Amino acid sequence: GAGVSQSPRYKVAKRGQDVALRCDPISGHVSLFWYQQALGQGPEFLTYFQNEAQLDKSGLPSDRFFAERPEGSVSTLKIQRTQQEDSAVYLCASSLVDFEAFFGQGTRLTVV
Amino acid sequence: KQEVTQIPAALSVPEGENLVLNCSFTDSAIYNLQWFRQDPGKGLTSLLLIQSSQREQTSGRLNASLDKSSGRSTLYIAASQPGDSATYLCALNFNKFYFGSGTKLNVKP
Repeated sequence: GAGVSQSPRYKVAKRGQDVALRCDPISGHVSLFWYQQALGQGPEFLTYFQNEAQLDKSGLPSDRFFAERPEGSVSTLKIQRTQQEDSAVYLCASSLVDFEAFFGQGTRLTVV
Repeated sequence: KQEVTQIPAALSVPEGENLVLNCSFTDSAIYNLQWFRQDPGKGLTSLLLIQSSQREQTSGRLNASLDKSSGRSTLYIAASQPGDSATYLCALNFNKFYFGSGTKLNVKP
């Protein structure tokens, strides 16, 4: 497709379960970002890739969060041993460097 | 850390009004500024991108301005319509995007 695609759209996980969230960026976009959005808040930065290189992971809240983009296209955000405070919408965005960013529809994660 | 503030947090207006949404930020060394729209349960839709060297951008009924010296951007919506009801977010690009908390707009028919 022409836009950023995220899957799944919704995920319910039991506390302690591992989850993997996928992002397919727009073809050719060098930059890829992951954001976390709590209800009623603006998105908060998690991590940033330029091609396959993870240039900034300063926003990852704990070592339970891990992101990769091994071939410089599709990215996966993995959360290990999920906790209730991880419940949020996870947004992925892609762009050419320093240009307009395009966001996916997000994955709504609910930890029960 | 870049602080981004959006005022007002919520706004309710009758259809047809012109309105201004405000975004202020603390550090002017940005690459660009982008305004987004978010509908409930949806992702972010890009509305306007203003490069650091630009002062404003226009698209249809939307006009966004950027004043780096004062740390402000405004989004002007002309002749508002019920379909404009959504949350509007500004984001500053500093290698990564810093978002405000948004302005929730309700345009009443």
